Amino acid sequence: AQSVSQHNHHVILSEAASLELGCNYSYGGTVNLFWYVQYPGQHLQLLLKYFSGDPLVKGIKGFEAEFIKSKFSFNLRKPSVQWSDTAEYFCAAWGWGKFQFGAGTQVVVTP
Amino acid sequence: DGGITQSPKYLFRKEGQNVTLSCEQNLNHDAMYWYRQDPGQGLRLIYYSQIVNDFQKGDIAEGYSVSREKKESFPLTVTSAQKNPTAFYLCASTRGYSGANVLTFGAGSRLTVL
Repeated sequence: AQSVSQHNHHVILSEAASLELGCNYSYGGTVNLFWYVQYPGQHLQLLLKYFSGDPLVKGIKGFEAEFIKSKFSFNLRKPSVQWSDTAEYFCAAWGWGKFQFGAGTQVVVTP
Repeated sequence: DGGITQSPKYLFRKEGQNVTLSCEQNLNHDAMYWYRQDPGQGLRLIYYSQIVNDFQKGDIAEGYSVSREKKESFPLTVTSAQKNPTAFYLCASTRGYSGANVLTFGAGSRLTVL
C-alpha cells in the first residue's frame, strides 16, 4: 500500500544535540519529497523539498535532508538543535497522484 | 499578504448536527485540499479540488461534503454521518495539481463534537 512512514513519534533532546528523523516511502517510481514543520500555534510550513538533482537538500533554519533512493528514505537532520526547534515534523511524498503524509514526529528540545 | 483563511478557529457541535468549515485563499491557486489531522495519524486527505467546479474524494471522504463554486473558496461540510468528527481540520492549496507544487496551509479549524 502507498505510504509514508516516520520512525519516531516522539523525540526529546537537549539543546545543541543533533537531530535525525527518519522517513521512508513505499513507491517504486519517481517521487517528490517534502518535510513540513508545525511550530506551536503556527501554520504548517515547508522546511525543505527534493524533486531531483543533488540528493542532499538544505532547508530553512539549518535543516537538511538526504534522499537515498535505494533505501526509499528521506531523513531529516540538524547538527545542533535549539529550543525553538520544538515542533511537529511531517514527512510527505508525492508519488501516487497525491500528497501522502507520515504520522508526524513531535520533537521537544529542552534547554 | 496572500494566504489561506480558515474559519471558525474553534467549533463545537452537538451530535447529529451538520457543520460547515470555511476556507478562503487569495493566492490565485487552482488546487485546494482538505486534510484531517489526528494525533499519531498525520494528515489524511478528505477531499481535493484541482479546479473550479470539480472535486474528488480523498482517502477518508465518508461523512464529508465539499463544493468549489469559486476559485478562492472550498468549504467543507462535516455531516452527521461522520462517525468521529472531533478533529483538527486543515485546508491547503497549491498553484497547480502536481507534485512539483508546495502546499500552503491555513491555520486550521478545531471541531469538537459534544
